[in-house]
Amino acid sequence: EAQVTQNPRYLITVTGKKLTVTCSQNMNHEYMSWYRQDPGLGLRQIYYSMNVEVTDKGDVPEGYKVSRKEKRNFPLILESPSPNQTSLYFCASKGGLVGNEQFFGPGTRLTVL
Amino acid sequence: QKEVEQDPGPLSVPEGAIVSLNCTYSNSAFQYFMWYRQYSRKGPELLMYTYSSGNKEDGRFTAQVDKSSKYISLFIRDSQPSDSATYLCAMSPSRSNSGYALNFGKGTSLLVTP
Repeated sequence: EAQVTQNPRYLITVTGKKLTVTCSQNMNHEYMSWYRQDPGLGLRQIYYSMNVEVTDKGDVPEGYKVSRKEKRNFPLILESPSPNQTSLYFCASKGGLVGNEQFFGPGTRLTVL
Repeated sequence: QKEVEQDPGPLSVPEGAIVSLNCTYSNSAFQYFMWYRQYSRKGPELLMYTYSSGNKEDGRFTAQVDKSSKYISLFIRDSQPSDSATYLCAMSPSRSNSGYALNFGKGTSLLVTP
């Protein structure tokens, strides 16, 4: 089944404790991205990757890092999480050079205490 | 002014009704238009995808784009309780420096009652 997977699905952590949220897709897509979803603000892009070893900032990149060492994986790293990063996070991917149909993962609900 | 505006609802309709969901936008560069459905505690699921203006139909769903008015719509015919979800519109330019970032509306919550 073609899908985007994320782990963990739920995470509660404390301020300053480094964490990584993994994202993997099995559709051989070149493009992957991360969004966060907050009440009243909607979905906003954090980082994106056009292909392996090519990443760039989205609209809200502060406090986040990413890496793209393999085509299928695009982890999101919070090196020193803070309470304002409590949110619902989604990974998305798209294939091909034309169009913009993006497919989303199931989400990771992060709480930073 | 936000680039994409969407009435948050909630919208409550009886089963079998025709549902109309809408978004307006301000960026005339938007060329790709999408509707996503999001159930509680789930990821957005792509429902409809349209390039530029026109209509697209898929089963009970019809998407319309009017670029002259900067207005897009999603119609759901014969609505079912299983259609109860939040519907998100999303759009983007065909080419941009922002890496295919989708500009989302805040979502409309729909409840279809039996």
